[in-house]
Amino acid sequence: DAMVIQNPRYQVTQFGKPVTLSCSQTLNHNVMYWYQQKSSQAPKLLFHYYDKDFNNEADTPDNFQSRRPNTSFCFLDIRSPGLGDAAMYLCATSRKRGWGDSNQPQHFGDGTRLSIL
Amino acid sequence: AQSVSQHNHHVILSEAASLELGCNYSYGGTVNLFWYVQYPGQHLQLLLKYFSGDPLVKGIKGFEAEFIKSKFSFNLRKPSVQWSDTAEYFCAVNPYSGGGADGLTFGKGTHLIIQP
Repeated sequence: DAMVIQNPRYQVTQFGKPVTLSCSQTLNHNVMYWYQQKSSQAPKLLFHYYDKDFNNEADTPDNFQSRRPNTSFCFLDIRSPGLGDAAMYLCATSRKRGWGDSNQPQHFGDGTRLSIL
Repeated sequence: AQSVSQHNHHVILSEAASLELGCNYSYGGTVNLFWYVQYPGQHLQLLLKYFSGDPLVKGIKGFEAEFIKSKFSFNLRKPSVQWSDTAEYFCAVNPYSGGGADGLTFGKGTHLIIQP
């Protein structure tokens, strides 16, 4: 009954080799988020899509990009991974009905653990 | 920008003990407050949330939290813990901005271990 699905669960890539992480959802939520969580640290928001609008956090490195081809799917692209990018990457979704609506609780996937060789 | 502080990084309790995990946030405006739990090998799950109204909110599995605006706190409580409560607990906030869809700012988490 997984509602936010992240693939793969574990990803290994080489230093500098582009990598793409995938997230899909069956909730029909209009907002999708990507978080980075390093060991023993809090999850940190990288960016989110509100419908088709992309919202980047000010301190997210340019190395990180995202695509949302449709409501159900969202991708995280790391163009040239460095050793410091090894982390758990979490995808989350929520529903925002419109201006004035509170930010509804987010639903999280299991995460993709990225290792860099 | 908002920030969240969780006071205890590791807590060890015996079954049936009472639990209180501290959470303080810094933000000048209206916030939505959440507690999430992550059981070993599982994804983050919502325990409870506060948007407005009664500052004492009840969540799943017997958890509750109290929002004290004057103290910028949202502490999590449970009167009697069980072994199955062993997990990582995260306090999180996001600002109520009206127009946008805002991400969560998380605390660093509290690793709770319940000894049988």
